[in-house]
Amino acid sequence: DVKVTQSSRYLVKRTGEKVFLECVQDMDHENMFWYRQDPGLGLRLIYFSYDVKMKEKGDIPEGYSVSREKKERFSLILESASTNQTSMYLCASSLRVAVPPIQQYFGPGTRLTVT
Amino acid sequence: GEDVEQSLFLSVREGDSSVINCTYTDSSSTYLYWYKQEPGAGLQLLTYIFSNMDMKQDQRLTVLLNKKDKHLSLRIADTQTGDSAIYFCAETQTLHSGGGADGLTFGKGTHLIIQP
Repeated sequence: DVKVTQSSRYLVKRTGEKVFLECVQDMDHENMFWYRQDPGLGLRLIYFSYDVKMKEKGDIPEGYSVSREKKERFSLILESASTNQTSMYLCASSLRVAVPPIQQYFGPGTRLTVT
Repeated sequence: GEDVEQSLFLSVREGDSSVINCTYTDSSSTYLYWYKQEPGAGLQLLTYIFSNMDMKQDQRLTVLLNKKDKHLSLRIADTQTGDSAIYFCAETQTLHSGGGADGLTFGKGTHLIIQP
């Protein structure tokens, strides 16, 4: 059974702290994604990675960075957490396919609260 | 750019049919998708339809595609309490110019609320 795991389900951090969110997939997928989910705004792509050490910005990369040192692990970093980064963070992975359909597999999410 | 629109809430009685609607903008999308998010969980692929099809049926689920109007719908027959979730419509999004790393553009999600 395919699996995407995220390091924490709930996280509370203070403004200005450096925050690491970890995501691991066991499916040998090339692509990995970080989204944030907010009520009324749906899913917005923060960053994605299509290979080890490769990353590209999504729609809302400001205030975030990412790291992909190993194929199975994709980390999201908040360099200096702010209250407007309070959100649900979802990680996903998928095979790199030349032709759709595309299936993204999602982790359970991390609910981050910044106080 | 690509955009996917869907209403935020739908309330139906248990046993009735639910119809969740979606409009998309990218006419080159070869596939369109429906994902389901149950409370406290990530998204799971529910079904998808190839763009040269008008309809796809899978047990209680029927997907209708009107390519001319760029309209996609998901019908759930005999809606049950276990169908209570957020349903996301999605279309293919090109993320990487080198190809082969396509992503998905999601709508904002429709909360399906089941009344007893």
